[in-house]
Amino acid sequence: GAGVSQTPSNKVTEKGKYVELRCDPISGHTALYWYRQSLGQGPEFLIYFQGTGAADDSGLPNDRFFAVRPEGSVSTLKIQRTERGDSAVYLCASSLTPDSTEAFFGQGTRLTVV
Amino acid sequence: DQQVKQNSPSLSVQEGRISILNCDYTNSMFDYFLWYKKYPAEGPTFLISISSIKDKNEDGRFTVFLNKSAKHLSLHIVPSQPGDSAVYFCAASDQGSARQLTFGSGTQLTVLP
Repeated sequence: GAGVSQTPSNKVTEKGKYVELRCDPISGHTALYWYRQSLGQGPEFLIYFQGTGAADDSGLPNDRFFAVRPEGSVSTLKIQRTERGDSAVYLCASSLTPDSTEAFFGQGTRLTVV
Repeated sequence: DQQVKQNSPSLSVQEGRISILNCDYTNSMFDYFLWYKKYPAEGPTFLISISSIKDKNEDGRFTVFLNKSAKHLSLHIVPSQPGDSAVYFCAASDQGSARQLTFGSGTQLTVLP
């Protein structure tokens, strides 16, 4: 596709369940980022991949959050034992290289934990 | 501790007039600044950026001004159009690129016809 694609668009899950959120970056983009946007706030950095490896995961809030990018393209953000406070829009972005001066965002996945 | 602040949650402007959106930052290590625009149910879209070595960057109707001594930047839109109505986010990086951005909380701009 032409842009960053995220699936699903919306996800409702029960507290305590496990969820996976998928990001398909722009083809050829080596850098991929995950952000989380809570209501009324700006996006907050979670993790950044350069190729297959997590170059910086300092934004992950705790060890219930994990992300992978096994082939250097599609990435999956995994949340274990979800809590109501995890409810937010999860945004993925990609850029051609980590030094690129522009990052392109997907439309986000709205996660609601009930 | 918010390192990037947008103190105006909302702004209304008449069509054809100038819109000025403001952003303040506290981290003196920030060296690259961006403005993103966001429509409901869509991801943020890149609008314009500026490096810390410059004090102004212009692209069509959009101009970003950077005042490093005041740690302040602003986005000017002139003339404003109804289609500009969206949430505008200011973002900053300390790595000279769009890597690992720190965002403000956004300003909802409404351009009245």
